[in-house]
Amino acid sequence: DTEVTQTPKHLVMGMTNKKSLKCEQHMGHRAMYWYKQKAKKPPELMFVYSYEKLSINESVPSRFSPECPNSSLLNLHLHALQPEDSALYLCASSLPTNEQFFGPGTRLTVL
Amino acid sequence: GENVEQHPSTLSVQEGDSAVIKCTYSDSASNYFPWYKQELGKRPQLIIDIRSNVGEKKDQRIAVTLNKTAKHFSLHITETQPEDSAVYFCAASTLPSGTYKYIFGTGTRLKVLA
Repeated sequence: DTEVTQTPKHLVMGMTNKKSLKCEQHMGHRAMYWYKQKAKKPPELMFVYSYEKLSINESVPSRFSPECPNSSLLNLHLHALQPEDSALYLCASSLPTNEQFFGPGTRLTVL
Repeated sequence: GENVEQHPSTLSVQEGDSAVIKCTYSDSASNYFPWYKQELGKRPQLIIDIRSNVGEKKDQRIAVTLNKTAKHFSLHITETQPEDSAVYFCAASTLPSGTYKYIFGTGTRLKVLA
């Protein structure tokens, strides 16, 4: 398996909802990432997990809560989001010595 | 902090012509430079990468050059086709990675006119 998968593809949520995004890879990669991408902008790093430990948090608001249950799975828990949080959320994975692979993303709309 | 500048922000070329996109990085420790192509509504896809121990790498119509002294690297696409139309992002990182951080350029929207 040479892919990063993400679910759901699309998500619409209200500002009081709680939802989760899921990412999975079976390439044996030990680093997993969450990025946020707004239209016409580059991916913006949110979190990095290295060997299942959080290694980078780019000062992301606490309404975003990452979780890495095991080396293949990465979740992003969402709570009390704002409309400006609407974006494409990309997961990626990599080995320490190799390129980063992106998942297809979750298109999130916050009403 | 580290940053990557990318130019131009938009580029229109006639089908069959060449396209060149340039990036400049600030962190002298960077040694890995990937290029991603992102079509509308899709994920960024790695199209070519280069490590700092080589100056040029080619894959069919795509090539990347690196000037470590000037901290520049460039993407060259020859014989452009309409399907090359997309947004291209350069990035810089340090591998083996301690921080796992990739710094992305701001993107170039390439339009290939038929």
